[in-house]
Amino acid sequence: SQQGEEDPQALSIQEGENATMNCSYKTSINNLQWYRQNSGRGLVHLILIRSNEREKHSGRLRVTLDTSKKSSSLLITASRAADTASYFCATDDRDDKIIFGKGTRLHILP
Amino acid sequence: DAGITQSPRHKVTETGTPVTLRCHQTENHRYMYWYRQDPGHGLRLIHYSYGVKDTDKGEVSDGYSVSRSKTEDFLLTLESATSSQTSVYFCATEGGGTDTQYFGPGTRLTVL
Repeated sequence: SQQGEEDPQALSIQEGENATMNCSYKTSINNLQWYRQNSGRGLVHLILIRSNEREKHSGRLRVTLDTSKKSSSLLITASRAADTASYFCATDDRDDKIIFGKGTRLHILP
Repeated sequence: DAGITQSPRHKVTETGTPVTLRCHQTENHRYMYWYRQDPGHGLRLIHYSYGVKDTDKGEVSDGYSVSRSKTEDFLLTLESATSSQTSVYFCATEGGGTDTQYFGPGTRLTVL
């Protein structure tokens, strides 16, 4: 089944810097979502971008989608300690089920 | 995740024993999912439900069964637990036409 694959697997940056993580997928999609998971907790939905959209913003989050390259990026601006978490992209498969990638572990350094 | 609860939150059991995990939602969402999360594998779908008494298999369904007798409750059963089923199990719901999933807090299961 198709699966989004995040890159990098892990990322450490200084507080205040911007964090960028990427997701690549294999087949055409209807939408792509990003989720955050804090340690020991369930996933929390961040943002959904549809296949006919190229960019979407939500607070300090900016998501882009390039369907020609089958890739998406999540940018977190002005990072904070509370942004330390794992971030997952999720794409819908041909049966409309959501498939999650393995995630990017983001660590914000003080 | 305030409207989705999972019980128990932690469980230690022995190989060969049956185990049932419960997911309860107050969102009245139609769709419910069970995932397992393991290092190096991300989240993998075990079973899902698209309505009362309507369930289907996911990517890693072997050794698991589910039941949904009410909209609010989705049960995951390990008929005879094995050590390979040691994992963190997450329930999720989806509804309202949003394509967004809402996750419970997870159940950490250890099979000795």
